[in-house]
Amino acid sequence: NAGVMQNPRHLVRRRGQEARLRCSPMKGHSHVYWYRQLPEEGLKFMVYLQKENIIDESGMPKERFSAEFPKEGPSILRIQQVVRGDSAAYFCASSPGLTTGELFFGEGSRLTVL
Amino acid sequence: TQLLEQSPQFLSIQEGENLTVYCNSSSVFSSLQWYRQEPGEGPVLLVTVVTGGEVKKLKRLTFQFGDARKDSSLHITAAQPGDTGLYLCAGVYNQGGKLIFGQGTELSVKP
Repeated sequence: NAGVMQNPRHLVRRRGQEARLRCSPMKGHSHVYWYRQLPEEGLKFMVYLQKENIIDESGMPKERFSAEFPKEGPSILRIQQVVRGDSAAYFCASSPGLTTGELFFGEGSRLTVL
Repeated sequence: TQLLEQSPQFLSIQEGENLTVYCNSSSVFSSLQWYRQEPGEGPVLLVTVVTGGEVKKLKRLTFQFGDARKDSSLHITAAQPGDTGLYLCAGVYNQGGKLIFGQGTELSVKP
């Protein structure tokens, strides 16, 4: 029974390029969450999505960042025109329904911006 | 702004010692979770507490939820090197809302 799958695990981009991070939730889970983590810090909430809907995007930067969770396929976190400050680990989590706080996390995608 | 304050941020102890990690907020949680994260991996859920005053035990780990549901503690008895990791408290303030994390406690248990 596959868990939350994230890819790529590691991504290197130069300043100004685009980064696309993908997340396939656990089977049967229709809610996806994206978090960002800097070294030795906790996880910062970015966005909460349900299939084809953004439920809460209060943690998303206003520019360059977008997220989607289409009817078919994985959730995508897209960062346009990356800057060095975007370097971080991005974690995706899923749940079967409304948040109870019990989330299942992927292993993360580590973005390095040169 | 809903904030989760976790303390201490770093903790280095010897094998066999006991320790307590604290998680505090000025707001009431509908539920609170403790997660553990190892380097290069995602957080893994340890426990959920929902009822004020609730105490849950997981082997040598004891989790307590404050009566007012604004704070929680994690106590580890006789720590072992395998307990080393980042411990994160997290809470949901409104049922169905987003999960907010504290900044974490980096625990190092030396043999």
